[in-house]
Amino acid sequence: GAVVSQHPSRVICKSGTSVKIECRSLDFQATTMFWYRQFPKQSLMLMATSNEGSKATYEQGVEKDKFLINHASLTLSTLTVTSAHPEDSSFYICSATPSDTEAFFGQGTRLTVV
Amino acid sequence: LAKTTQPISMDSYEGQEVNITCSHNNIATNDYITWYQQFPSQGPRFIIQGYKTKVTNEVASLFIPADRKSSTLSLPRVSLSDTAVYYCLVGEAGGFKTIFGAGTRLFVKA
Repeated sequence: GAVVSQHPSRVICKSGTSVKIECRSLDFQATTMFWYRQFPKQSLMLMATSNEGSKATYEQGVEKDKFLINHASLTLSTLTVTSAHPEDSSFYICSATPSDTEAFFGQGTRLTVV
Repeated sequence: LAKTTQPISMDSYEGQEVNITCSHNNIATNDYITWYQQFPSQGPRFIIQGYKTKVTNEVASLFIPADRKSSTLSLPRVSLSDTAVYYCLVGEAGGFKTIFGAGTRLFVKA
């Protein structure tokens, strides 16, 4: 099946710093990618829809200035957590769909803010 | 987007068949039903997708009644490694915005 890769798989950063997470579709082009956040023992929560060449669409309650999304090419979307705080610590997951098939998910990024 | 309802958790023993049912009363005509499996600290992994009747692949079967208001994921002869969370999702195929429900936490015991 199609491959979606995230980098890094885990990151620890200091409070107040920014962290960038990359999501790549390795063998297909994706005009749309999705970013999710997952807290322990909870389901995935959709944060935003990343659109190639245009602004991302954020779900209600998600701060667009806090979570910057850039989808500069058909194979790469980035999520930057700006001025991270301990409450931003979570598991971040991206997904993409090659044409009319199921969605493929990245392996996730574990962010810990200390 | 159609809302889904699944049991919160299920227990099973190795070698048994496990059936997880998902309710999606508001499913739309263009919606497909897709099941994902998620292990701790990993992204969800596709299991199976269907539109109606029955679909079978090498790991599972998906049963969908004629009214499509529910679906049942069937895992034959589960093993310890099948312990995971299973999500039922409903939406249009191809690039649809995937909204996750709570999922079903399956625990397989020896």
